[in-house]
Amino acid sequence: EVVMTQSPLSLPVTLGQEASISCRCSQSPVYSDGNTYLHWFHQRPGQSPRRLIYKVSNRDSGVPDRFSGSGSGTDFTLKISRVEAEDVGIYYCMQTIHWPGTFGQGTKVEIK
Amino acid sequence: EVQLVESGGGLVQPGGSLRLSCAASGFTFTGFWMSWVRQAPGKGLEWVANIKEDGSHKNYVDSVKGRFTISRDNAKNSVYLQMNSLRGEDTAVYYCAKGAGFDSWGQGTLVTVSS
Repeated sequence: EVVMTQSPLSLPVTLGQEASISCRCSQSPVYSDGNTYLHWFHQRPGQSPRRLIYKVSNRDSGVPDRFSGSGSGTDFTLKISRVEAEDVGIYYCMQTIHWPGTFGQGTKVEIK
Repeated sequence: EVQLVESGGGLVQPGGSLRLSCAASGFTFTGFWMSWVRQAPGKGLEWVANIKEDGSHKNYVDSVKGRFTISRDNAKNSVYLQMNSLRGEDTAVYYCAKGAGFDSWGQGTLVTVSS
C-alpha cells in the first residue's frame, strides 16, 4: 500500500497569511498516460470532504484562486496564499493510481 | 447539480449486517466509477471499495474483503454496499463518491457497530 505522509499535521495560521502543506508519496502517483493522480481535499468540521485540486495543480470549479497545487515525482504541495476564516478544517492529499487509493493523515488548519 | 445521498446506516451488533445505499443524480451515472469511503470517528479517510461503470469490475480494501460487497443498479442510478460480519472497527461515517477522481461526495451515513 502506498503511504502518503503529510506535514505538518497541525497548522495554525494568521488570517491573510500564506499556508503550505506538504504531501510525500512512498511511490510515485504518475500513470503511464503521463498524468499524475494526486489530489487534494478539504473537510470542514461536520461536513463531507470536497475536492479542491485534481491531478496536482488543477483547481475544481468554484475553488478560489488563492488555492494552488504543485509538485512532481513523489513530493507535492498545497498552498493557500491568503488564508480566510472559511479555510479552516482538515486537508487531505490522496493518490488514486495504486490500489487501494490512499489518503494522507490530514493536516488541520486553524486560525491563530 | 451533482447530488449523492447515502442512506441505510444505523446501529448494528457485531456480526450483524447492513446495506448502505447511495442515490445519485445530476450526472450521467453510467459514465462513472463509484466508490465508498469511510471515516472512523475522529480519524482520517479510508477508501473501502469501488465499482466500474457497468459493474464488471470491483475492488476492495483488504480489511473488508469477503465481508463487504459493492454493487450498482444503473437503472436506478444507485450504488450499494452490503456489509456482513460487521466488527467494531467498521464503525464509521460511510461516504459515496463519484468518479475515479472523487470529484463529488455525499453527506455520509453513520454506521455504529456495538453491542
